[in-house]
Amino acid sequence: AQKVTQAQTEISVVEKEDVTLDCVYETRDTTYYLFWYKQPPSGELVFLIRRNSFDEQNEISGRYSWNFQKSTSSFNFTITASQVVDSAVYFCALTGGIAGNTGKLIFGQGTTLQVKP
Amino acid sequence: GAGVSQSPSNKVTEKGKDVELRCDPISGHTALYWYRQSLGQGLEFLIYFQGNSAPDKSGLPSDRFSAERTGGSVSTLTIQRTQQEDSAVYLCASSPDGAGAVTQYFGPGTRLTVL
Repeated sequence: AQKVTQAQTEISVVEKEDVTLDCVYETRDTTYYLFWYKQPPSGELVFLIRRNSFDEQNEISGRYSWNFQKSTSSFNFTITASQVVDSAVYFCALTGGIAGNTGKLIFGQGTTLQVKP
Repeated sequence: GAGVSQSPSNKVTEKGKDVELRCDPISGHTALYWYRQSLGQGLEFLIYFQGNSAPDKSGLPSDRFSAERTGGSVSTLTIQRTQQEDSAVYLCASSPDGAGAVTQYFGPGTRLTVL
């Protein structure tokens, strides 16, 4: 069975601090995809990144970076120099990629990030 | 272009009544998904459509829940004889194709409250 664990329920930081959100996953698929979504107070899930299981190269996008390590089944998300606008709930998600997969997402429980001024 | 839209944004109903929730996917997206977000259960998959067919209904919690999609576009999620445990935010997502390699884009959700 597939499972995503986000052990950090809530994180509170002061603006300009760096913060890392942890994500650990379980799957028996050899091909799979990992996602991060942001859910601001408005409620809409906003897509941040997708990675496939064959590409372990870390990615940086502005203040955001992602560290994918298959050896530890982790896909962690770091925000550098956090800002108040980063306050949101962040979800890590997983889906399999083999034939017959429907693409349904398995979500972690989410991490609520509060960035204080 | 326009994103995924859902209506109504909020729905308050009485226990035992039927409700219909609507989703308009991004134009051209063949895959459509319904998810439910509740405090106790987090984000859960409900049903997946590819075109007008629903090859995966495994997440529907009971036979009170049903969904259809017409014209490969608009989808309606119907909950019959609503119960208080049905209170949640119902999210719709669409993607160009129903495969893991493709990103799903979410609508703003419908917040359902069953009194």
